Amino acid sequence: QVHLVESGGGVVQPGGSLRLSCGASGFTFSCCAMHWVRQAPGKGLEWVAVISHDGNDENYADSVKGRFTVSRDNSKNTLYLHMNSLTSEDAALYYCAKDWVATISTPRHLDFWGQGTLVTVSS
Amino acid sequence: EILLTQSPATLSLSPGERATLSCRASQSVSSYLAWYQQKRGQGPRLLIYDASHRATDIPARFSGSGSGTDFTLTISSLEPEDFAVYYCQQRSNWPPTFGQGTKVEIK
Repeated sequence: QVHLVESGGGVVQPGGSLRLSCGASGFTFSCCAMHWVRQAPGKGLEWVAVISHDGNDENYADSVKGRFTVSRDNSKNTLYLHMNSLTSEDAALYYCAKDWVATISTPRHLDFWGQGTLVTVSS
Repeated sequence: EILLTQSPATLSLSPGERATLSCRASQSVSSYLAWYQQKRGQGPRLLIYDASHRATDIPARFSGSGSGTDFTLTISSLEPEDFAVYYCQQRSNWPPTFGQGTKVEIK
């Protein structure tokens, strides 16, 4: 079955950088667009970024545009999120989630999610 | 961006009872609305997509309805494992947005 495992979270100082990873198994990783969604402690869900199946197209929430970069390595079945200039507003549990189509022309629902990796921003 | 408002914030019910959750959009999202269930310590699980279509392996006690701006998730008879937080999500416009959640708790 589909399995998504996020890693790379941790404590980072304000202004710092971090790279999150999401390992995928149980499906053909290159089939599908992939997303990052975050959840601040005790809060709701906020969509962060999406990348198309081949890595050629991306889209970002305004709150992270210019600071975060999503990428993927289909040969390693892995999704990444490169985060720069982190602030306290970025502290959250970050989930990767699978789309059910390849392209990102329109938003979709997300059919499988990981368990998340926690990012804490603190000096 | 499209704002989704869920009500009530908390629903206190007993096993076997019917749960009715609401999601209202700030503008029409057609039928492009999904529902997710999230249990403590877990990632969300897709229940319903495009307003009324059950996702794979989702029990028939979960049903969705609505279109335009008003949507409902109904759990016909609550099982112990259904007590969780439920979120709606629209995919009509970028960015996809989520409601703030409804917690279904044991009365």
